[in-house]
Amino acid sequence: EVQLVESGGGLVQPGGSLRLSCVASGFTLTTHGMSWVRQAPGKGLEWVSAISGSGGSTYYADSVKGRFTVSRDNSNNTLYLQMNSLRAEDTAVYYCANGSGHCSSASCYGWFDPWGQGTLVTVSS
Amino acid sequence: DIVMTQSPDSLAVSLGERATINCKSSQSVLYSSNNKNYLAWYQQKPGQPPKLLIYWASTRESGVPDRFSGSGSGTDFSLTISSLQAEDVAVYFCQHYYSTPPAFGQGTKVEIK
Repeated sequence: EVQLVESGGGLVQPGGSLRLSCVASGFTLTTHGMSWVRQAPGKGLEWVSAISGSGGSTYYADSVKGRFTVSRDNSNNTLYLQMNSLRAEDTAVYYCANGSGHCSSASCYGWFDPWGQGTLVTVSS
Repeated sequence: DIVMTQSPDSLAVSLGERATINCKSSQSVLYSSNNKNYLAWYQQKPGQPPKLLIYWASTRESGVPDRFSGSGSGTDFSLTISSLQAEDVAVYFCQHYYSTPPAFGQGTKVEIK
């Protein structure tokens, strides 16, 4: 069964750091790019970051650029999101999602499937 | 950046009736080289992650009931539920995957009238 399981969420003070993990089972992370997508409480979906299948290319939303870093450990089939300088507006459920990898002239994200169950990050003093 | 705008924000439909959700992109998501629209639809129920329903604007994901259909091209798209069932109560999102950043519509909440 193809599955993604996130962990690492929790309560952190503004300015603090957290590292999220996403472990894949039933498929190999290196096949396609992976993304992090977040959802603030009661709000819509916001793409946060992506990493290519090889790990050689990374992409970020303007809202997190310079504060978040996406990486992967292919030996452990695990995706990471290092989040620094956290703000109250970063409070959300963070999902990892597998991209289908279909390319246009501009990018190679594809649709997102499967998704993990999500991990809640709360930034509050 | 391509902005996705859905309408309406919510709708209430009687069981067995048709529900239609619209999604408009600020730029075309049709890739001329392969004539494909880089547009997906997702269903999200409370406490669950989004579930892929439709990709390439009109291709139904395996296992998705055929009462769900997607249409449109370029900048204007629709998701139709032909005969609403109780289990279809959810929030529906469109998403383009044409360029960076891939973006979602704000969501449309579907309820039973």
